[in-house]
Amino acid sequence: EPEVTQTPSHQVTQMGQEVILRCVPISNHLYFYWYRQILGQKVEFLVSFYNNEISEKSEIFDDQFSVERPDGSNFTLKIRSTKLEDSAMYFCASSEAGQLMNTEAFFGQGTRLTVV
Amino acid sequence: RKEVEQDPGPFNVPEGATVAFNCTYSNSASQSFFWYRQDCRKEPKLLMSVYSSGNEDGRFTAQLNRASQYISLLIRDSKLSDSATYLCVVGRGGSQGNLIFGKGTKLSVKP
Repeated sequence: EPEVTQTPSHQVTQMGQEVILRCVPISNHLYFYWYRQILGQKVEFLVSFYNNEISEKSEIFDDQFSVERPDGSNFTLKIRSTKLEDSAMYFCASSEAGQLMNTEAFFGQGTRLTVV
Repeated sequence: RKEVEQDPGPFNVPEGATVAFNCTYSNSASQSFFWYRQDCRKEPKLLMSVYSSGNEDGRFTAQLNRASQYISLLIRDSKLSDSATYLCVVGRGGSQGNLIFGKGTKLSVKP
């Protein structure tokens, strides 16, 4: 079964450093997303990406964050100048179509980011 | 009112029990509805989409009431393997990619 893969599974970084979280979405999917889940809290939408550009972003996704699809297969989330409160599980997801079509979003296994 | 609100749980039930989860959502423009399940420290996985007419998948039945902005999930003959957190998820109205998650209801099925 095709799956979304994320690397690394766990990333520890010092406050103020930049991190790049990597994702390989399912190959025939057109929509890509990043979500995060702070420990003990709900899953929160960060950004959606379609046709090589951001289609939507939440209030969380400020100038500290950026996304890129550098080579047609990888989809990355860059967090600049990390803060302690950025510590969370970051999930990448992809779907064939947008959510208006009741389309399933497939989630990767997540990257646990710990900022120390 | 929270965007997606669920029973806080936890629900502790014996094997074979029937358990029902409820969820309300605030955005009347939402057009897509789902139940996901999440095991501890794992990714959310789709359990089922929810359609206006209601739908059933084996032991699982989902209902949607748009007028009341209410979604339900019924699990019959619960198994030990059903133990997980059940997430009510709603697509933001007018959005192609923004899923709004409830905080989830934890279910523990005991032998």
